[in-house]
Amino acid sequence: TQLLEQSPQFLSIQEGENLTVYCNSSSVFSSLQWYRQEPGEGPVLLVTVVTGGEVKKLKRLTFQFGDARKDSSLHITAAQPGDTGLYLCAGVRGNTGKLIFGQGTTLQVKP
Amino acid sequence: DTAVSQTPKYLVTQMGNDKSIKCEQNLGHDTMYWYKQDSKKFLKIMFSYNNKELIINETVPNRFSPKSPDKAHLNLHINSLELGDSAVYFCASSQDGNYGYTFGSGTRLTVV
Repeated sequence: TQLLEQSPQFLSIQEGENLTVYCNSSSVFSSLQWYRQEPGEGPVLLVTVVTGGEVKKLKRLTFQFGDARKDSSLHITAAQPGDTGLYLCAGVRGNTGKLIFGQGTTLQVKP
Repeated sequence: DTAVSQTPKYLVTQMGNDKSIKCEQNLGHDTMYWYKQDSKKFLKIMFSYNNKELIINETVPNRFSPKSPDKAHLNLHINSLELGDSAVYFCASSQDGNYGYTFGSGTRLTVV
């Protein structure tokens, strides 16, 4: 079983639509991170959230950390073809220091 | 001025061979990691070194041996390669893992 369940795993939408990706766990994390990975490249950090209930915005991307620090969401407003890619959530377990990844969400935004 | 660089980018080798992947970071981070990404894009931690000391060693076959000559370098040596070792291997570094990792661009290993 996955420690971090990410959904949906695949998403294909039209340009201009909104979308939300979810990352859920029964475990508490000291931080929750979102990465984006392009083909042939490594994951690139988008944002880190560390406080329960925290909301961060990065242009059209909004990230939220659940109050209990067990889940997170990524919302994209008015998606553009340039948003196409693999989105990964990852959490750090407090006393292990390990960054554990979800399964990833492959997003395709069609023009 | 690449932050985390790993070589080679591609590695094709026969079963039973021994190969190494090198990683270097110029960010001054204390901790370095090796991750394996499988064909379904799932990333799993293999090893972590903090200032040359091994601190995380997941259940990885002992054919995999990391070596850190200094805190800026973390290499991965793999003995007796098997078909199942085919994957993309990523090196990463962090100063405080709670605030994010910096990943290299990956090494695609194909064992034939």
